[in-house]
Formats: sequence, C-alpha cells, structure tokens
Amino acid sequence: KAGVTQTPRYLIKTRGQQVTLSCSPISGHRSVSWYQQTPGQGLQFLFEYFSETQRNKGNFPGRFSGRQFSNSRSEMNVSTLELGDSALYLCASSVPGQGGTEAFFGQGTRLTVV
Amino acid sequence: GENVEQHPSTLSVQEGDSAVIKCTYSDSASNYFPWYKQELGKGPQLIIDIRSNVGEKKDQRIAVTLNKTAKHFSLHITETQPEDSAVYFCAAFNPDSGGYQKVTFGTGTKLQVIP
Repeated sequence: KAGVTQTPRYLIKTRGQQVTLSCSPISGHRSVSWYQQTPGQGLQFLFEYFSETQRNKGNFPGRFSGRQFSNSRSEMNVSTLELGDSALYLCASSVPGQGGTEAFFGQGTRLTVV
Repeated sequence: GENVEQHPSTLSVQEGDSAVIKCTYSDSASNYFPWYKQELGKGPQLIIDIRSNVGEKKDQRIAVTLNKTAKHFSLHITETQPEDSAVYFCAAFNPDSGGYQKVTFGTGTKLQVIP
C-alpha cells in the first residue's frame, strides 16, 4: 500500500509569491490534515479536510487555504508569501470518521521563502 | 484552547537504558493521545497511542501511561537502541463544539541513544 505522497519535496519561493502544495493520501483515507513545522513553533495544525469539506481549522491567517478533491487528494495554497512561512509542511491522512484516529504522515514539503 | 507541554526537550541515554518523556495537557476533554517519532528528513510516524478510557498500553519496548486526574501522559522506551534516536512528539486530541477533534502537539524531545 502506497504511503502519503507530498509534492514537491522542496520549494524555493520569493516573498509576495504564492505557492500550492499537493498531498495524495493513502488509498481509502478520506481525511487529510495539514501541519506547519518550524524549529520555533513546532508542529502546528493548519486545517483538516474530509469528503471535500474543511471541518477544522487552526489559527493561521487567511493567506493559508486548502481544498480537497473528490479522490481525496488535497492541496494547500499560501498566498503573498512571507519569510516566516518558511517551514516544513506536512500532511497526514486517516481513515474516515471523526478525528482521534491513527494518522499517517507524508515526508513533507520543505518551503523556503527568500 | 488546549495546551500541551512536553519535557525534556533533549534527552541522552546510554544504549540499553530506559528513556521517559512526559507531556501534560490542559483540557480535560482531550481523549486521544498519540506519540510520534520523527527521524531526520522524514514525516512523523505514529509509534503508540492511548485513549482516555485506558491507563496504560504497551507494545514491545514502548509503553505509554495516562493519568487523567493529573492530566499527564508519558512515553517509556526500555532497552534503548541507537535506532531509537529521533525526535519524539506527543499530541492531544480534543473534541470541538462540532463533535470533531482538534489536535495540539507537544514541542518535541530530541532523544539521543549513545552506543
């Protein structure tokens, strides 16, 4: 069974640009969550999607958005990039149902904003 | 909102010794507590979890204990091996008003097992 796949693995962007990251969950997993990981703030929850609907959101500005497609693949978008957005962005997928179930993480996308 | 504190931030042990990492949480409604291991260049991997209706769970060399009254849970690794070296994160899931769950992670513990 293939794991969670995130693309691209590495990305360098300039301040003010926007970026789109992609996450393909494990087959059969309909819940996808996104996290930002930085040395200073640790792992922080961004949002969760289930059946193409955002059902949970962390404390991030509106520049961070996401969506989920009918095949459960998810994308997150960050607009007007700031230097502080440099981080490892992780997505995790889990089986259907309300949270609190085993989540499988991808390897992440390392975003560097210059 | 939920607040999760994790200690220590770094831990060095000799191979074969035990390692203990502790987390405390603030919201008594939290009901699911997973532990993740993150190796360099990889995403976190679930190693063990515990739900609020259980006090202890063990899986080979790894165990987790939960004290709901004190609102803390701990990861215990016995007979540590060099491959246990990694960053470990605890997390707490608590239900929100919509019935879904939000997750808060601890700040991580860098474990180094010295051969």
